[in-house]
Amino acid sequence: DQQVKQNSPSLSVQEGRISILNCDYTNSMFDYFLWYKKYPAEGPTFLISISSIKDKNEDGRFTVFLNKSAKHLSLHIVPSQPGDSAVYFCAASATSGTYKYIFGTGTRLKVLA
Amino acid sequence: SAVISQKPSRDICQRGTSLTIQCQVDSQVTMMFWYRQQPGQSLTLIATANQGSEATYESGFVIDKFPISRPNLTFSTLTVSNMSPEDSSIYLCSVDTGGPYEQYFGPGTRLTVT
Repeated sequence: DQQVKQNSPSLSVQEGRISILNCDYTNSMFDYFLWYKKYPAEGPTFLISISSIKDKNEDGRFTVFLNKSAKHLSLHIVPSQPGDSAVYFCAASATSGTYKYIFGTGTRLKVLA
Repeated sequence: SAVISQKPSRDICQRGTSLTIQCQVDSQVTMMFWYRQQPGQSLTLIATANQGSEATYESGFVIDKFPISRPNLTFSTLTVSNMSPEDSSIYLCSVDTGGPYEQYFGPGTRLTVT
């Protein structure tokens, strides 16, 4: 059972436009969510996170939105740049007692110049 | 943050053999983790390795198949034993530096079993 789902395996966006990457989860115990970016032949790098006590967190061009009732989060990148082309993973954790992350399958973002 | 290196970066191995993957961190960390990413799949946690204690394995992973060592606060190894083609994956180590639930990943080891 996939507890964290990224239903779009790929996304293409024009440079300068908004990229929206989506993630759904099923476990209501998850209370901390993260986005990672992965370039080929490199490990994932942390991008942005959000706690369940918030519904929005912003860091520069990156904003994560959390809708707890829908068990849905999204990552907005504005404006998108060619260097943002990578695979993006969302991850979720139930922070009480463990550091375990459950990852989604990733969305490959391609920003077209 | 932490800088993490892994050796080897990639390998092609024969069925039935074993491979040991090394993970080195540039600072002392309490918790290290080993993940597997099979082709087209998400990252799956294999085990958590704390220095001075036995590794804790996730459901579906056993010590006989994936023995882990954690001799000090900057180093860990994962061995993939008696390999089969199904073990072909990217294996990643990560560390938790004590910050707010952010893990830092190594570059991964791409393993192909023939």
